[in-house]
Amino acid sequence: AQSVTQPDIHITVSEGASLELRCNYSYGATPYLFWYVQSPGQGLQLLLKYFSGDTLVQGIKGFEAEFKRSQSSFNLRKPSVHWSDAAEYFCAVGLMNRDDKIIFGKGTRLHILP
Amino acid sequence: DVKVTQSSRYLVKRTGEKVFLECVQDMDHENMFWYRQDPGLGLRLIYFSYDVKMKEKGDIPEGYSVSREKKERFSLILESASTNQTSMYLCASSFGTSGSSGANVLTFGAGSRLTVL
Repeated sequence: AQSVTQPDIHITVSEGASLELRCNYSYGATPYLFWYVQSPGQGLQLLLKYFSGDTLVQGIKGFEAEFKRSQSSFNLRKPSVHWSDAAEYFCAVGLMNRDDKIIFGKGTRLHILP
Repeated sequence: DVKVTQSSRYLVKRTGEKVFLECVQDMDHENMFWYRQDPGLGLRLIYFSYDVKMKEKGDIPEGYSVSREKKERFSLILESASTNQTSMYLCASSFGTSGSSGANVLTFGAGSRLTVL
């Protein structure tokens, strides 16, 4: 069965430090890949998406993600985090069959130390 | 920008009450979805709809129903609310035929936090 794994439930980094959030998926073909961010008490906002082509994708708020087919991964990165990046981050896999549904990881909560 | 509006941000209801959660999107999206979000469980799909008057069950439809009488509006109904339905409910929409890239890009509302006492 298709699945999305975010192995880190919580991550704490210092402001100004670099960030990498991990995401692995299980699917028989290359899916559509997404990262969403959720600020406290809010809905989810799309950070970036991968459909095909260049495996390094740029998103909003200075985030980027790299698709690695050999590792079935789509890790999110940011070179220097800001206090406002504290939020929960969700990786999602979108599938190409009409009867399949989008699958979300369980999320990684990012904490920023001043 | 696409907007998905959930009319109630916070609701408190009593066990056994009928609860309506309303969601409206303003960009003519074909597809609409209801999720619930609980700590440690992520987002779980309750129901979705690819067209007016059409609905399909998601992963956890028990205890819920939906209505889509107009393209822009997708309502989630709890016929008899129970305490285990206390949760954050998220509505989302997308455009395009199911399975297309666009159909997988979800725009979310701000959420409705429901407490059932």
